[in-house]
Amino acid sequence: KQEVTQIPAALSVPEGENLVLNCSFTDSAIYNLQWFRQDPGKGLTSLLLIQSSQREQTSGRLNASLDKSSGRSTLYIAASQPGDSATYLCAVRGSNDYKLSFGAGTTVTVRA
Amino acid sequence: AAGVIQSPRHLIKEKRETATLKCYPIPRHDTVYWYQQGPGQDPQFLISFYEKMQSDKGSIPDRFSAQQFSDYHSELNMSSLELGDSALYFCASSLGGTGPTDTQYFGPGTRLTVL
Repeated sequence: KQEVTQIPAALSVPEGENLVLNCSFTDSAIYNLQWFRQDPGKGLTSLLLIQSSQREQTSGRLNASLDKSSGRSTLYIAASQPGDSATYLCAVRGSNDYKLSFGAGTTVTVRA
Repeated sequence: AAGVIQSPRHLIKEKRETATLKCYPIPRHDTVYWYQQGPGQDPQFLISFYEKMQSDKGSIPDRFSAQQFSDYHSELNMSSLELGDSALYFCASSLGGTGPTDTQYFGPGTRLTVL
């Protein structure tokens, strides 16, 4: 069974600092990995999707890397802003699955 | 751009009642997924459908059933509701069950409260 872990559970930084969010997974036989953002009590917004054959994906200030062999992904958010405050979830889809297995998330607070 | 639509957005039920949640996928998406997110928990996969057939099954209680209709919308039926069923229920959709760009797009969720 795929286990997804996100460290740290919470992070607080001053505005302008770069954010580094970590995700690890136990089964390297993945199909893809998605990063989501969730605001309190709200839905999940897809940020980036990395296919198993890719090493990284970029979208604006966001960059996600994937090291499938070591079971790790990192989400970088450059020049953080207070509007980036949210919970960020990593989710992995297995090679033979349709479902996503989620981590518990990292709750980010960017202080103005 | 059109997104995943879920209805109702909020639902309050008594124990042992029945609830039906509906999901309308993004146009042309043929795969639908259901997830349950309890308070302070990460989303847990319940069930998915690809081209109206069940494609994967997670930790869905026997009291729950779901189906995908000919227009690709899906319904999650929940019977004999328990207090522990109180959660945010998400529906997601994607194009092509195993396609190369099968990003799952999530709806806003239905918040179910069981009293």
